[in-house]
Amino acid sequence: GAGVSQSPSNKVTEKGKDVELRCDPISGHTALYWYRQSLGQGLEFLIYFQGNSAPDKSGLPSDRFSAERTGGSVSTLTIQRTQQEDSAVYLCASSLDPLNIQYFGAGTRLSVL
Amino acid sequence: QQQVKQSPQSLIVQKGGISIINCAYENTAFDYFPWYQQFPGKGPALLIAIRPDVSEKKEGRFTISFNKSAKQFSLHIMDSQPGDSATYFCAASRRASKLTFGTGTRLQVTL
Repeated sequence: GAGVSQSPSNKVTEKGKDVELRCDPISGHTALYWYRQSLGQGLEFLIYFQGNSAPDKSGLPSDRFSAERTGGSVSTLTIQRTQQEDSAVYLCASSLDPLNIQYFGAGTRLSVL
Repeated sequence: QQQVKQSPQSLIVQKGGISIINCAYENTAFDYFPWYQQFPGKGPALLIAIRPDVSEKKEGRFTISFNKSAKQFSLHIMDSQPGDSATYFCAASRRASKLTFGTGTRLQVTL
């Protein structure tokens, strides 16, 4: 079956612009996670959804970052007023439930000029 | 705070050799320890995982060794192959929720 799909695969934006990153999890997976992978920081957790609720937002680095999930499926990560330090690969993962294996998408590479 | 420390940062192993990557964790509440393999341009993929009630788990050429008292765990890749060349991440979580990752090890297997 289809894996976790993320779009766009690459995004180049100018400093100060807003960006939206999309994640389509594996069908039927109730848990969805966003992580950020950057050269200096490795892989960092951002936010976790169970269904449409986000019980853990502890990894969001600032109030410029927000995410939502609708219909228990697609999720969108929004970064407002992007900064150069936001440049990274944003990875989405989903799992059947929180106790199960997390399957990752290929990520969105964000470059802020 | 670096909750999962991983070493080495990079590793070069000859084909057929053993690759060993080590991780140490701080949070004793962690109860799930997966290893992920990542190829360039791809997302991480689960390789093997262990829970702290066992000291070793083997799947094919890949083995996790776990030392609960030392709060350390390691990945051994036996008979390393060029196709194993990738970046490996250890991780830890509590009740298999959000993952806390190590910083990664870039493995190169030479012919």
